[in-house]
Amino acid sequence: KNEVEQSPQNLTAQEGEFITINCSYSVGISALHWLQQHPGGGIVSLFMLSSGKKKHGRLIATINIQEKHSSLHITASHPRDSAVYICAQNYGGSQGNLIFGKGTKLSVKP
Amino acid sequence: DTAVSQTPKYLVTQMGNDKSIKCEQNLGHDTMYWYKQDSKKFLKIMFSYNNKELIINETVPNRFSPKSPDKAHLNLHINSLELGDSAVYFCASSLGQGVDGYTFGSGTRLTVV
Repeated sequence: KNEVEQSPQNLTAQEGEFITINCSYSVGISALHWLQQHPGGGIVSLFMLSSGKKKHGRLIATINIQEKHSSLHITASHPRDSAVYICAQNYGGSQGNLIFGKGTKLSVKP
Repeated sequence: DTAVSQTPKYLVTQMGNDKSIKCEQNLGHDTMYWYKQDSKKFLKIMFSYNNKELIINETVPNRFSPKSPDKAHLNLHINSLELGDSAVYFCASSLGQGVDGYTFGSGTRLTVV
């Protein structure tokens, strides 16, 4: 069974703190995605990873293929980072399917 | 210039009705998807279309049917709506099988009363 597990489920931080959200998956993948869903409901694609590390502004995503694990880091967190962060894995091949984790709800307090 | 647009944004309807949600993308992507987000905010694939052919059809009721008049559009038709169909439905698109990332619409909140 293909599963994507995220932790923590909920996270509250003070502005400025370094934040880490973890994602583990059970089977091999072609790509791992990090998505952001704001309180208004829209979903934005943050990163797509198949190996190594990617950085965009204050956000960093890493993946360890051998350990089937990925992390999303936010440096110098800000209240506008408050959102649900969702990890999803892509099987590629003939499916192009996304299997989602249940999300991590992040709240950054000023 | 909205990349993936869904209409309507909100839909309130009675049980037993038939409704449609429309989705259009102007990105030139060749694969489009419908996802359902339940009350616990969990997302799950429903359908995808690649070059007007259905390539994924998860275990959704056959009351749900995707219709793609061309590769820029993937509409979702729902017959005989039930209370349990209440959810947020997201359309998305990608180039190929999604290994270059996905672009999501803003969602349609369906409420069945």
